Amino acid sequence: DAKTTQPTSMDCAEGRAANLPCNHSTISGNEYVYWYRQIHSQGPQYIIHGLKNNETNEMASLIITEDRKSSTLILPHATLRDTAVYYCIVRVAGGNEKLTFGTGTRLTIIP
Amino acid sequence: DTEVTQTPKHLVMGMTNKKSLKCEQHMGHRAMYWYKQKAKKPPELMFVYSYEKLSINESVPSRFSPECPNSSLLNLHLHALQPEDSALYLCASSQPYKGSNTGELFFGEGSRLTVL
Repeated sequence: DAKTTQPTSMDCAEGRAANLPCNHSTISGNEYVYWYRQIHSQGPQYIIHGLKNNETNEMASLIITEDRKSSTLILPHATLRDTAVYYCIVRVAGGNEKLTFGTGTRLTIIP
Repeated sequence: DTEVTQTPKHLVMGMTNKKSLKCEQHMGHRAMYWYKQKAKKPPELMFVYSYEKLSINESVPSRFSPECPNSSLLNLHLHALQPEDSALYLCASSQPYKGSNTGELFFGEGSRLTVL
């Protein structure tokens, strides 16, 4: 699976949009981009995933560049409960069950 | 029910003890996972079971022994552990990752293990 690069940490003001970047320049055509987050003392939680089109669900939006080498997770109106470590993961479509976490971005929402 | 339940939440054991961590899900998922997470580090995959058969073992030492007695249960048997094995052990489940399913993993809250 392709490697991902994320900033170590980010801050965002409460109520503003949080934009978390992820670089996956070696991604292959059959690899999905997944985002999970881990709130302190809890297990990771799935947020969203996509292949090449932008995706939106009740939690977030995922914007994938046309060349697929990078993506941005957007939390439209960040709340204090969104403070967590956010992991960007690339995973082969229809591959085995292996899901490998990178180092992630520690997002802190500031009141 | 979208829960993965792990027991115990906390476990303290000596290096000569034998103990087990348990994980249960009732979502009909046929893939189950064990991850290990040290403080301030990402989760590291240990084992994956698919349809109750061990499909992935990430070269985990034999002092960790997984078991999947049925499609709802996953155990991790612990024997002769070292202090450096102290960590949060996370269980997850999913549908087998194929076809059009999302491959979303559902995680439990983890069992925090301390080895003295």
